[in-house]
Amino acid sequence: DVKVTQSSRYLVKRTGEKVFLECVQDMDHENMFWYRQDPGLGLRLIYFSYDVKMKEKGDIPEGYSVSREKKERFSLILESASTNQTSMYLCASADPYPGSYGYTFGSGTRLTVV
Amino acid sequence: KNQVEQSPQSLIILEGKNCTLQCNYTVSPFSNLRWYKQDTGRGPVSLTIMTFSENTKSNGRYTATLDADTKQSSLHITASQLSDSASYICVVSARSNTGKLIFGQGTTLQVKP
Repeated sequence: DVKVTQSSRYLVKRTGEKVFLECVQDMDHENMFWYRQDPGLGLRLIYFSYDVKMKEKGDIPEGYSVSREKKERFSLILESASTNQTSMYLCASADPYPGSYGYTFGSGTRLTVV
Repeated sequence: KNQVEQSPQSLIILEGKNCTLQCNYTVSPFSNLRWYKQDTGRGPVSLTIMTFSENTKSNGRYTATLDADTKQSSLHITASQLSDSASYICVVSARSNTGKLIFGQGTTLQVKP
């Protein structure tokens, strides 16, 4: 089974802190994604990456950046955390082919910014 | 605009009863449709995935249907259990090589004893 591992289940950070959310997948997938999930808004795509060192903005990239130095690892960075970034963050990975069956989510990181 | 709409928004049923969740989409060109189950505080877990040529797929007590002509899908849960209490998310993939998905808002199901 594909495993997508997010480093923290729960995280509490202070406003203005730099925050790193880590995601690691073990299936050699080329595509990796970061979403945030908020009540009433569903899942929204922040950034995705289709190759090492490649990244593309999703629907809500403002206030976030990403890093993909190795194929298996995709990091989400909050340069200066704000309270409106309190949310559930989900990482996912997928193989690249159309109709791909291999789209898997991590368990999520619940981030609270105080 | 690519959209996925789910109904109802929430549902309460008694343990042992059946229920059906609906999903309508306007995604083009269509690649596949997935149903995910998401327990509170956890990541979504895939239940079924269907391509254009498939119109029914089962996973235990979960049966998904797809009508590609009307762009509708349903998820039927048979003999519900307390552990079925969760959010169910319909997700549609447009045909591309990046794997981007369009998510519905989800239906929150509560199964009561």
